[in-house]
Order: sequence, then structure tokens, then C-alpha cells
Amino acid sequence: KAGVTQTPRYLIKTRGQQVTLSCSPISGHRSVSWYQQTPGQGLQFLFEYFSETQRNKGNFPGRFSGRQFSNSRSEMNVSTLELGDSALYLCASSLAGMNTEAFFGQGTRLTVV
Amino acid sequence: TQLLEQSPQFLSIQEGENLTVYCNSSSVFSSLQWYRQEPGEGPVLLVTVVTGGEVKKLKRLTFQFGDARKDSSLHITAAQTGDTGLYLCAGVLAGGSYIPTFGRGTSLIVHP
Repeated sequence: KAGVTQTPRYLIKTRGQQVTLSCSPISGHRSVSWYQQTPGQGLQFLFEYFSETQRNKGNFPGRFSGRQFSNSRSEMNVSTLELGDSALYLCASSLAGMNTEAFFGQGTRLTVV
Repeated sequence: TQLLEQSPQFLSIQEGENLTVYCNSSSVFSSLQWYRQEPGEGPVLLVTVVTGGEVKKLKRLTFQFGDARKDSSLHITAAQTGDTGLYLCAGVLAGGSYIPTFGRGTSLIVHP
């Protein structure tokens, strides 16, 4: 059974640009959550999508957005990148929502220069 | 202020030693999870505890949830080099949504 796949693994962008990250959940999982991980703040929740609807949202600015497709694949977009957006972005999939076991992908390492 | 405080932040020990990692809060959690994250990988769930006072064992790892459900500990007996990694605790607040709050983690290095 394939795990959670995130692409790309590494990304370097310039301040002011935008970026789109992709997450393919485990087959059959309908919930996808996104997290930002930095050394200073640790893992912080961005948002959760379930059946193409955003169900929960963390305390991040509107520059961070996401969506989920009918096949449960999810994308996360960050517009007008700032240096502070440099982080490991992790997605986690679960069968039925955040109250069920979450399986994390390897993450996308984003560096903003 | 971090809702979940983990200590110590860093731990460097020799193979065969025992260690304990702590996860503390002033808030009550309905459940608490422990993850291990290896470099270049995402976190992997080790255990979920839901009952105050609960103790769970996973081979050489022992997890305890505090009686008041505000804290937890992870004890590793006879550490091995394969235990090296970042140990994260994550809690779901009692009466809140299911969104977990993560601690900053304890980075463990086990030397051969």
C-alpha cells in the first residue's frame, strides 16, 4: 500500500513569488491536513480538507490556501512568498478525519531566498 | 507561549542507556500522541493515549499519560542507535476540535 506522496521534495523560490505544493494521500483516505514545520515554532496546523471541503483552518494569513480534488489529492498554495515561509511543509492523510490516525508524507522543503 | 512544552530539547546518550522525555501543559487533553520523526521523513505515530493514568508499552518504549491528562512521558529502556530521531508529542484539547497541537520536540541522538 503506497504511502502519502508529496511533490516536489525540495523547492527554492524568490521572495514575492508564489508556490504550489502537492499531496497524494493513501488510497481510500478522504482527509488531508497540511502542516508547517520550522525549528522555532515546531509543527503548526495550516488546514484540513475532507471530501473537497476545507473543514478546519489554523492561524495562518490568507496567503496560504489549499484545495482538494475529487480523487482526494490536495494542493497547497502560498502567494507572495516571504523569507519566513521557509520551512518543511508536511501533509498527512487519514481515513475519516483528524480524529483518526494520520499518516504523514516526507514533506516538501521550501527555501525562500 | 507553547501549549505543549517538551523537555529536554536535546538529548545525546550512549547505546544501552535509559532516558525519559517529558511533555507538559497546563491544559487538559482528551488524547495525546507521540511521534518519531527521522531526518528527511515525516513524523510516524508511535502511540495514542486517551485515559488519565494510562500506561502503554511498545517494546522498549513506555508511554504514560498523567492522571489529570495534562502531561505525558516517554521512557526508553536500553536505547539503541535506531532510536535516534525527533520525538514529538501532540495533544487534542478536551472539548475542542480534533486539531492536534504539537510540542517542539526532543531531538535524541544515540551513539554506538
